[in-house]
Amino acid sequence: NAGVMQNPRHLVRRRGQEARLRCSPMKGHSHVYWYRQLPEEGLKFMVYLQKENIIDESGMPKERFSAEFPKEGPSILRIQQVVRGDSAAYFCASSPTEGKFEQYFGPGTRLTVT
Amino acid sequence: GDSVTQMEGPVTLSEEAFLTINCTYTATGYPSLFWYVQYPGEGLQLLLKATKADDKGSNKGFEATYRKETTSFHLEKGSVQVSDSAVYFCALSEKLIFGTGTRLQVFP
Repeated sequence: NAGVMQNPRHLVRRRGQEARLRCSPMKGHSHVYWYRQLPEEGLKFMVYLQKENIIDESGMPKERFSAEFPKEGPSILRIQQVVRGDSAAYFCASSPTEGKFEQYFGPGTRLTVT
Repeated sequence: GDSVTQMEGPVTLSEEAFLTINCTYTATGYPSLFWYVQYPGEGLQLLLKATKADDKGSNKGFEATYRKETTSFHLEKGSVQVSDSAVYFCALSEKLIFGTGTRLQVFP
């Protein structure tokens, strides 16, 4: 059973470009979470999605950031018009259901904005 | 709101030393508690968990006990190895709320 997959592992974008980060949850998992980790800091929750629904986006910046989890295909975190401050590691996690179950993390996408 | 407080790092130990990393939490209700470990350049891996008061989670020689009376979930290991060097995160469900992480460095 493959784990959570994220691609690309490394992404370099110039200021003003768009960044698209992909996450394929573990087989059988219908809940996806996105986190951001700034250098030398802990993880911060961004958004929680189920298939075709955003459940909680309280951690998402109000502008330029969006996320989706379509019926088919991976979850996508999109950052429009990237700025240097968006440089971070973005981790995706999945769980079979919500609540008190552990989340399984992907290896992360390291975004560098030049 | 809910929060997690971890001891600051780095924690530097010699091989075979005893390890304690403190974690306290603030939460309403009865959350599940987790310890995750992050090795350099990798994502987080679940180390252990506890879902109710007095539960003890354990894995790979690490242990942590869910103490409701002191709102704590301290991580312990009796004898650390160089391969345990990593960053350790305490976390609170259901929307995982992480502590800031504690870097552990173990020297031979």
